[in-house]
Amino acid sequence: NAGVTQTPKFRILKIGQSMTLQCTQDMNHNYMYWYRQDPGMGLKLIYYSVGAGITDKGEVPNGYNVSRSTTEDFPLRLELAAPSQTSVYFCASSSGTGGIRTQYFGPGTRLLVL
Amino acid sequence: GQSLEQPSEVTAVEGAIVQINCTYQTSGFYGLSWYQQHDGGAPTFLSYNALDGLEETGRFSSFLSRSDSYGYLLLQELQMKDSASYFCAVKGGQNFVFGPGTRLSVLP
Repeated sequence: NAGVTQTPKFRILKIGQSMTLQCTQDMNHNYMYWYRQDPGMGLKLIYYSVGAGITDKGEVPNGYNVSRSTTEDFPLRLELAAPSQTSVYFCASSSGTGGIRTQYFGPGTRLLVL
Repeated sequence: GQSLEQPSEVTAVEGAIVQINCTYQTSGFYGLSWYQQHDGGAPTFLSYNALDGLEETGRFSSFLSRSDSYGYLLLQELQMKDSASYFCAVKGGQNFVFGPGTRLSVLP
């Protein structure tokens, strides 16, 4: 079991560019999440999904889009990158209890927008 | 909306006991979780409380009082490897909210 994997590990973007952060889990979890973490801060929920084909906004969705075509994959799309999107992005997944108990996190993607 | 408060920093010596507090405001409370995060790493799950009382997992224990909207994480027999940030988190509706984190420094 690889758990939750994320690619890339690190990326530098220029203002206005776009990119997709990849997230894959092999635990057959229904629930998947995207968080961002700014330096010295807690995690903020961007988007989440309760199953394939179902996504919803979290606390800070502006500037991002997601899709969930399979149980395993939950990519995060950044359109028109801005310096405010410089952050560490974590993908997480949890089982069908709604993630109340345990979320399993990927290693993160460090994004720098210049 | 939801909000959580934690102390920003706590310092303790190796072998000691430390308590990290968390107060929360949320609608539709389902439970309080605790996560550990080492510098440069990903958060990892530590403990969870849905009901009032104490949950013990090895050196770590977590307490919840729903009437006081308050919980804490208790770390015993502190080790150097416990130096990390600790986050409390709640689920309000379908949204997950993490606290700002408490940075624990364990001194020799």
